[in-house]
Amino acid sequence: QVQLQESGPGLVKPSETLSLTCSVSGDSINNYYWNWIRQPPGKGLEWIGYIYYSGSTNYNPSLESRVTISLDTSKNQFSLKMNSVSAEDTAVYHCARGGDRMAVAGRYQPAWFDPWGQGTLVTVSS
Amino acid sequence: SYELTQPPSVSVSPGQSASITCSGDRLEDKFVSWYQQKPGQSPIVVIYQDSKRPSGIPERFSGSYSGNTASLTISGTQAMDEADYYCQAWDSSTAIFGGGTKLTVL
Repeated sequence: QVQLQESGPGLVKPSETLSLTCSVSGDSINNYYWNWIRQPPGKGLEWIGYIYYSGSTNYNPSLESRVTISLDTSKNQFSLKMNSVSAEDTAVYHCARGGDRMAVAGRYQPAWFDPWGQGTLVTVSS
Repeated sequence: SYELTQPPSVSVSPGQSASITCSGDRLEDKFVSWYQQKPGQSPIVVIYQDSKRPSGIPERFSGSYSGNTASLTISGTQAMDEADYYCQAWDSSTAIFGGGTKLTVL
């Protein structure tokens, strides 16, 4: 059974860099799309981006200038870095596997996100 | 930017059918997935590619379309189905989620 687990600091100061890692167990990271999705407290879901197992990335245009997602196949992990954070970046950050490639506007995208990690709350505050 | 619109809340009596809608511009040209999120838990996928049901998801969950509106229908709704439901579609290369619908089973 595939399991994902997020880890990283729960408190980040404004203007600094948020860094999170997702550890994958029960499956190899050498397949699928590996996503980050966040949820501000009491609000809805916002997709941040993914890294495909090949190393190609795709980011939400609204966050692209501040976000980097990377893969560490030796550790079966992938990571998120978001710079210049502000209070608006306070959220529960989930990692999620994406699968079943489907054609969308000339590219391939995952048809579903599953499973998701339990999520980790990151608060941006001084 | 592209938006998916869901009703904030839907109520249903146990045993009845619940329908949650998701509308968006030219949504009929896109594949829609649906996610269930119970309080304090992470989302799980209940429908993907409009109407496919992952293994382990009860048959009472189904997805359909009418024009630019996708719907998630739960037949014979049970108390355990009370949760937030989110639709999701791809707009070009960006995954977009709807604002979510709180399903209350009264």
